[in-house]
Amino acid sequence: GEQVEQRPPHLSVREGDSAFITCTYTDPNSYYFFWYKQEPGASLQLLMKVFSSTEINEGQGFTVLLNKKDKRLSLNLTAAHPGDSAAYFCAVSAASSGSWQLIFGSGTQLTVMP
Amino acid sequence: ETAVFQTPNYHVTQVGNEVSFNCKQTLGHDTMYWYKQDSKKLLKIMFSYNNKQLIVNETVPRRFSPQSSDKAHLNLRIKSVEPEDSAVYLCASRQGNGNTLYFGEGSRLIVV
Repeated sequence: GEQVEQRPPHLSVREGDSAFITCTYTDPNSYYFFWYKQEPGASLQLLMKVFSSTEINEGQGFTVLLNKKDKRLSLNLTAAHPGDSAAYFCAVSAASSGSWQLIFGSGTQLTVMP
Repeated sequence: ETAVFQTPNYHVTQVGNEVSFNCKQTLGHDTMYWYKQDSKKLLKIMFSYNNKQLIVNETVPRRFSPQSSDKAHLNLRIKSVEPEDSAVYLCASRQGNGNTLYFGEGSRLIVV
């Protein structure tokens, strides 16, 4: 079944810098991709959902890139600010996961220093 | 706005006790899930229910059991808790395959 690897596990950047997080997955038939944000003591909130047909997805203050050839999903937070400090999780959904179950990456703890 | 409600949010209990966590979703979704998030924040799916049928059941210990009265409710019962059960349990729901998972606030369990 699908396996998802997320890097780095921890990331510290200064305010205004970019933060880059990457996930690689194994199933070439993966079709739905997600990024979630989890603030301390809170639950997971959806940042963006991406379909396999879209390679570049712009959000508010971030960009999600999907490279299907390399089976890589990336999140780039541009001009990070302290409010972006949180844990970020990618998730991938494919039929091979069983009922299109979401397989989560291991998370990246982002710290943005003032 | 929260639409997946979990209770209790926090529970401390002793080894060997029974614990239940409740979950209700008001989104009209047809599938609900329980995830376990450990101290390293790793997320592992435990159960999912679709129209009252268990469709995914990972290799969790048998002391864990899901309970559903209708498609809006999915409770988690833990019979005789162990120290390794200390974690945050997250309830989630979604409509159909491939759609977004909506999570509850989580239920933190501490086993002493």
